[in-house]
Amino acid sequence: KAGVTQTPRYLIKTRGQQVTLSCSPISGHRSVSWYQQTPGQGLQFLFEYFSETQRNKGNFPGRFSGRQFSNSRSEMNVSTLELGDSALYLCASSLWGARETQYFGPGTRLLVL
Amino acid sequence: DQQVKQNSPSLSVQEGRISILNCDYTNSMFDYFLWYKKYPAEGPTFLISISSIKDKNEDGRFTVFLNKSAKHLSLHIVPSQPGDSAVYFCAATNTGNQFYFGTGTSLTVIP
Repeated sequence: KAGVTQTPRYLIKTRGQQVTLSCSPISGHRSVSWYQQTPGQGLQFLFEYFSETQRNKGNFPGRFSGRQFSNSRSEMNVSTLELGDSALYLCASSLWGARETQYFGPGTRLLVL
Repeated sequence: DQQVKQNSPSLSVQEGRISILNCDYTNSMFDYFLWYKKYPAEGPTFLISISSIKDKNEDGRFTVFLNKSAKHLSLHIVPSQPGDSAVYFCAATNTGNQFYFGTGTSLTVIP
């Protein structure tokens, strides 16, 4: 089975721009979660989608949004980028979500200048 | 507010010795805990988990211990191997779907 894929792998944007990141889960997995990893903060939970519905949301401003498509692929969008949004964004998938092992993609490294 | 904490950013251990990675949590509602390992340029990979109804879970060279009264868990790697050099994250969850991760501990196993 193919693993979780994320595109693009690297991205450079400037302040004020917006960005869309994509995640394709493992085939058959219906839950997709997004995390932000920054030095010193670990992995911070952004949101989780299951069957096209946002099931959980972390403590991030409304500039961070996401969606999930019928094929379970997910996108996250960050609008009005700030320097502090520079981070590694990780996507993880699992069959049903709750209390299951999550399988992570390699991440998208975003740099905001 | 960091509900899961890994207070040691780094750890160095000689090959063949025991590596002990520690994790503390503040939310007494957490009832399921996991450890992930992360190599550079890769996403984290699942290592081992433990439910709050247990105090120990073992998988080969990896053992996780849970002390609920102290809100503390630890990962023991015996014997440590150079390939174990990576960043280790602990994570916790309750009955919901949200996982809380620690900040990670970078383990270096010296040959």
